Amino acid sequence: GAVVSQHPSWVICKSGTSVKIECRSLDFQATTMFWYRQFPKQSLMLMATSNEGSKATYEQGVEKDKFLINHASLTLSTLTVTSAHPEDSSFYICSASTSQPTRTGLYNEQFFGPGTRLTVL
Amino acid sequence: TQLLEQSPQFLSIQEGENLTVYCNSSSVFSSLQWYRQEPGEGPVLLVTVVTGGEVKKLKRLTFQFGDARKDSSLHITAAQPGDTGLYLCAGTYGGFKTIFGAGTRLFVKA
Repeated sequence: GAVVSQHPSWVICKSGTSVKIECRSLDFQATTMFWYRQFPKQSLMLMATSNEGSKATYEQGVEKDKFLINHASLTLSTLTVTSAHPEDSSFYICSASTSQPTRTGLYNEQFFGPGTRLTVL
Repeated sequence: TQLLEQSPQFLSIQEGENLTVYCNSSSVFSSLQWYRQEPGEGPVLLVTVVTGGEVKKLKRLTFQFGDARKDSSLHITAAQPGDTGLYLCAGTYGGFKTIFGAGTRLFVKA
């Protein structure tokens, strides 16, 4: 269980075009999804938190008009990189979150998609 | 500001050796996850620890959550080349907030 898919797995585009990346939770409903960016040999950098039916919350320094996030259903979130430029080339990873109960409350568990390699020429 | 310090950042060892990766914070977490990521792929959840002092084992991997739920360790016994990858710890707090460690890049030589 807890499978998250991402599409496409890789994309090459020309500078100035827009690219849409889809993130789907296949066997569970996720009220919260996260979008990360990862540079080579580095850890994950959180870009934004996406909640179903509401506006995404962007991390400091991430342009919301550049990286459009839509979370239309409990199983789908999309990230659109608008007017992409070579500096936007990166590995983009999404995760879907579930909450698990414990004796003392709830905790959040994230399951990651396989990532999308974006190359902007 | 929540911080989760992970060490070492890089580890290169011979097959058969043991190793330990640490994640430390001054903050209390409601849970802590360990992930493993291979190049070009997304992180894969290895384990979640919730209770202070909890120890979980996954074959040759042993995960421990500190008594105060501020730190955690991952110990690998008799490392194999297949263990090579980026190991990430992630602490959850405030219900749904998560912070990640910087990662430990492990390379196991045959």
